[in-house]
Amino acid sequence: GDSVTQMEGPVTLSEEAFLTINCTYTATGYPSLFWYVQYPGEGLQLLLKATKADDKGSNKGFEATYRKETTSFHLEKGSVQVSDSAVYFCALIGANSKLTFGKGITLSVRP
Amino acid sequence: GAVVSQHPSRVICKSGTSVKIECRSLDFQATTMFWYRQFPKQSLMLMATSNEGSKATYEQGVEKDKFLINHASLTLSTLTVTSAHPEDSSFYICSAVRGEGKNIQYFGAGTRLSVL
Repeated sequence: GDSVTQMEGPVTLSEEAFLTINCTYTATGYPSLFWYVQYPGEGLQLLLKATKADDKGSNKGFEATYRKETTSFHLEKGSVQVSDSAVYFCALIGANSKLTFGKGITLSVRP
Repeated sequence: GAVVSQHPSRVICKSGTSVKIECRSLDFQATTMFWYRQFPKQSLMLMATSNEGSKATYEQGVEKDKFLINHASLTLSTLTVTSAHPEDSSFYICSAVRGEGKNIQYFGAGTRLSVL
């Protein structure tokens, strides 16, 4: 079945540091890929998405590129802020039209 | 934006009692809602798909008599954990799909259930 693998966390960075959160997936066909973010005390929010190979999703300074050859969708940001502290989930929707999530990773950004 | 409200945010109950969790789409109609369960340090696991006016579709391994789902209107779905036991303690999250963006789910803030 479909699966999403995220790098182990938590991740702690200083403000303005570069962020990379790795995500790889296994799915049949051509899934749509997503990054969701969960701020403390809130529900999951869609951060960005990509629906086909080589698409780049971007939002709030975050970017992720759909790499079919490496089955990856790594999340990057050039300069993180304290307000980016949250839990980040990589996810996909495959042929079964259901969201499959990775385990999530907690990001803490120090001032 | 699309807002989904989930209530209560936290509930503590005694073993053997039933608990109802509500999921409401506040500013849109949701023909489909989803219920997830999240264990500590684990990903969200889909429990069931709730369609307005019809029976919910449960994922393999989820007891339909244990987790009763009702989607009586286009803005409300409820999950009732019947005869709750300590092993039912978990974080339950709902989501709703807007009609025009079927691949985008909008999530509630979740409900932390603790069964004593």
